[in-house]
Amino acid sequence: DSGVTQTPKHLITATGQRVTLRCSPRSGDLSVYWYQQSLDQGLQFLIHYYNGEERAKGNILERFSAQQFPDLHSELNLSSLELGDSALYFCASTDLGGELFFGEGSRLTVL
Amino acid sequence: AQKITQTQPGMFVQEKEAVTLDCTYDTSDPSYGLFWYKQPSSGEMIFLIYQGSYDQQNATEGRYSLNFQKARKSANLVISASQLGDSAMYFCAMRGPHSSNTGKLIFGQGTTLQVKP
Repeated sequence: DSGVTQTPKHLITATGQRVTLRCSPRSGDLSVYWYQQSLDQGLQFLIHYYNGEERAKGNILERFSAQQFPDLHSELNLSSLELGDSALYFCASTDLGGELFFGEGSRLTVL
Repeated sequence: AQKITQTQPGMFVQEKEAVTLDCTYDTSDPSYGLFWYKQPSSGEMIFLIYQGSYDQQNATEGRYSLNFQKARKSANLVISASQLGDSAMYFCAMRGPHSSNTGKLIFGQGTTLQVKP
């Protein structure tokens, strides 16, 4: 158990819908990273938040947005979903030494 | 731009034998970190081993060792005495030098390892 909690573990929805994925980092970790793992693109960095502020963006679509709340949990919002958005979405946090701890992922299926 | 290449989509190894999973990388930065992760069929990402670009010795963690050849820009993972539980997807990843984004990794496409009994 990495200490990073992601919900839901599985989600099935239809095209055009909107979903929210939630992540709680390890206790004491201020950073949250979101990654997407799809068959087409592999594992890709999406976005990084540190103590509530966006720090870096990767290949994140405009239909996707994220935020980190004062209690440090983060949410990834995916809207106008397309079939190609079906993927495993990981959240991760880092400790002061820079080690990356991944959650178990949220598997999104868009039908 | 940084890039990670894993040229072996799939590998087989006999139980109890050693196996090497290849990883080459490309970066112009002198400071970087290299990682290997294991992803079993259940989906979670399990950290295996880390090598810093300035580390003089190859990293080892139990049955895992990293064969770091800086001049060739390769960071191969060696698993000794393979076990059935080693069957999984393995990812090589690289972190750049920017300390403010220590968790921003670039991943290779992965290698699926199957251990035969």
